[in-house]
Amino acid sequence: QQPVQSPQAVILREGEDAVINCSSSKALYSVHWYRQKHGEAPVFLMILLKGGEQKGHEKISASFNEKKQQSSLYLTASQLSYSGTYFCGTGDEDSNYQLIWGAGTKLIIKP
Amino acid sequence: GAGVSQSPSNKVTEKGKDVELRCDPISGHTALYWYRQSLGQGLEFLIYFQGNSAPDKSGLPSDRFSAERTGGSVSTLTIQRTQQEDSAVYLCASSYPRGPTYEQYFGPGTRLTVT
Repeated sequence: QQPVQSPQAVILREGEDAVINCSSSKALYSVHWYRQKHGEAPVFLMILLKGGEQKGHEKISASFNEKKQQSSLYLTASQLSYSGTYFCGTGDEDSNYQLIWGAGTKLIIKP
Repeated sequence: GAGVSQSPSNKVTEKGKDVELRCDPISGHTALYWYRQSLGQGLEFLIYFQGNSAPDKSGLPSDRFSAERTGGSVSTLTIQRTQQEDSAVYLCASSYPRGPTYEQYFGPGTRLTVT
């Protein structure tokens, strides 16, 4: 039931774009995105809800395809500060919205 | 305001010993979560507290693990008779009531090493 994140890792040059995907085998109600820098706590980025509502940082862009049970996080014009591991957490109504977390996507931005 | 705090930040213990990990959530947050993160892995849910309701213990890996939350605030995660496979970072998070629209605020974690 753990959502699958892809890619597992990506290396970019500063200024390049990246897309991180999160796919589930279950019908989803919500997808949460967090970023964790090495040795630090995960930090909230965005919540996407069934029906189209979104909540999060203005500089972060993401989509939620309910039919495909998939969410994508779009990182454009990447900056060095974007480096870290990105986790998605998925929630569904059956599990009372308890989040199940993906294994993470490691993003490395090089100058 | 103050964020989620956890103590100790690092704990090294011998196999078979008991350990206690502490979490102090953000004031006013009624929901509190404990997660375990093994090296290079995602977040593994352990236990969830919401106000005065019975905790959701469905993620606890064995009966060696237990947690309590006193007065709806500070929480302690206890691991009895620690094993080497318990070595991980233990993260605590808090939020307003559990629900799809509430983000979780994480503490810095406790790195537990069992030798």
